[in-house]
Amino acid sequence: GAGVSQSPRYKVAKRGQDVALRCDPISGHVSLFWYQQALGQGPEFLTYFQNEAQLDKSGLPSDRFFAERPEGSVSTLKIQRTQQEDSAVYLCASSGWGSSNTGELFFGEGSRLTVL
Amino acid sequence: GQQLNQSPQSMFIQEGEDVSMNCTSSSIFNTWLWYKQDPGEGPVLLIALYKAGELTSNGRLTAQFGITRKDSFLNISASIPSDVGIYFCAGRRDSGTYKYIFGTGTRLKVLA
Repeated sequence: GAGVSQSPRYKVAKRGQDVALRCDPISGHVSLFWYQQALGQGPEFLTYFQNEAQLDKSGLPSDRFFAERPEGSVSTLKIQRTQQEDSAVYLCASSGWGSSNTGELFFGEGSRLTVL
Repeated sequence: GQQLNQSPQSMFIQEGEDVSMNCTSSSIFNTWLWYKQDPGEGPVLLIALYKAGELTSNGRLTAQFGITRKDSFLNISASIPSDVGIYFCAGRRDSGTYKYIFGTGTRLKVLA
């Protein structure tokens, strides 16, 4: 597609529910990133994929967070047993260069999660 | 998590004025990116910098990669109302990781 597409744009979940957020990166982009943005803050890194390989998941806040990219294109971020502190905007970004020194990140519009 | 320090945190300026903001890090970075984010939207890439001392322009925007590689600067000339938003810097070390660390943001408001 022309840009990074994320769905749903808005998700309201009751505490304890599981949620799944989808990211469709720019066609052909090798690298895919998930970031979490709390209200009034800058984005914080969650995890990084190069093709289907998850090379860095150091930013995932707990084992309730899980991300996958099984075919090296679409990615899903899953949050199990949601808690109120999970409320945030979840941003997906893709980049065309997986192994060079340059790598501009292009972001989607984000998925805003509200946990009641 | 770690975030880069941006200053100022917020600023109100008159339309037509020039704006300067900066981003500092305790670590050396090899790539700097500058983004603008409007409410309810994702960050939009403005300028990318890859070399210490580099000065790059995009219309009325000019950004510089600091010589020490621990800071970066963004200038906006002759501001207009649509410049309002939050500006974020992002830095990357390129040593063993491809992740970018983002700044705390500078909120810009332009008074017509």
